[in-house]
Amino acid sequence: EVQLLESGGGLVQPGGSLRLSCAASGFTFSTYAMTWVRQAPGKGLEWVSAISASSGSTYYADSVKGRFTISRDNSKNTLYLQMNSLRAEDTAVYYCANKVGTNRFDSWGQGTLVTVSS
Amino acid sequence: QSALTQPASVSGSPGQSITISCTGTSSDVGGYNYVSWYQQHPGKAPKVMIYDVSNRPSGVSNRFSGSKSGNTASLTISGLQAEDEADYYCSSYTSSSTHWVFGGGTKLTVL
Repeated sequence: EVQLLESGGGLVQPGGSLRLSCAASGFTFSTYAMTWVRQAPGKGLEWVSAISASSGSTYYADSVKGRFTISRDNSKNTLYLQMNSLRAEDTAVYYCANKVGTNRFDSWGQGTLVTVSS
Repeated sequence: QSALTQPASVSGSPGQSITISCTGTSSDVGGYNYVSWYQQHPGKAPKVMIYDVSNRPSGVSNRFSGSKSGNTASLTISGLQAEDEADYYCSSYTSSSTHWVFGGGTKLTVL
């Protein structure tokens, strides 16, 4: 059974940093592209970032480019999202998902809440 | 403002069929056969229901179907059931710098 478990969320002040982790199990992590999607409270889904299976390619939404960095450690079956210069509008539940093909976000974690507030 | 436009809400009675539209541009929905649909129940993670416009993942009921015409994709749910009540989001690959975009979501109410 595919399992994705996010962690690392919490309360952070504007301008601060946070690193999210997503521990994967139940599938061959190293062969799948991975992605982060967020959802602000009461709002819709917003794609944030993606990374290829080998880490050779990374992609970012314009809203986080230059502030967030996606990475992965295939030896640990773990996906990361380093978030710097956080803003109030980054407040959201952050989900990780494995990506199949071009636009199929297949299995999702339960999400981790990031709150940016003073 | 979301990149893809969906109706805020739709409703239907048990057993009926409903269709949710998702309108984009030639840079996303109209330009690629990479439209996906996700179902999200309150407090839960999204679940993929349709991918590549009209394909169903294993385990998804055949009551769910997808199609596309021009810049508009559609999700049709036939034989509505109470458990179908949820939020539905479309997604598309895009040639813009954003790479992937979602619609604003549609709340489905089963009357």
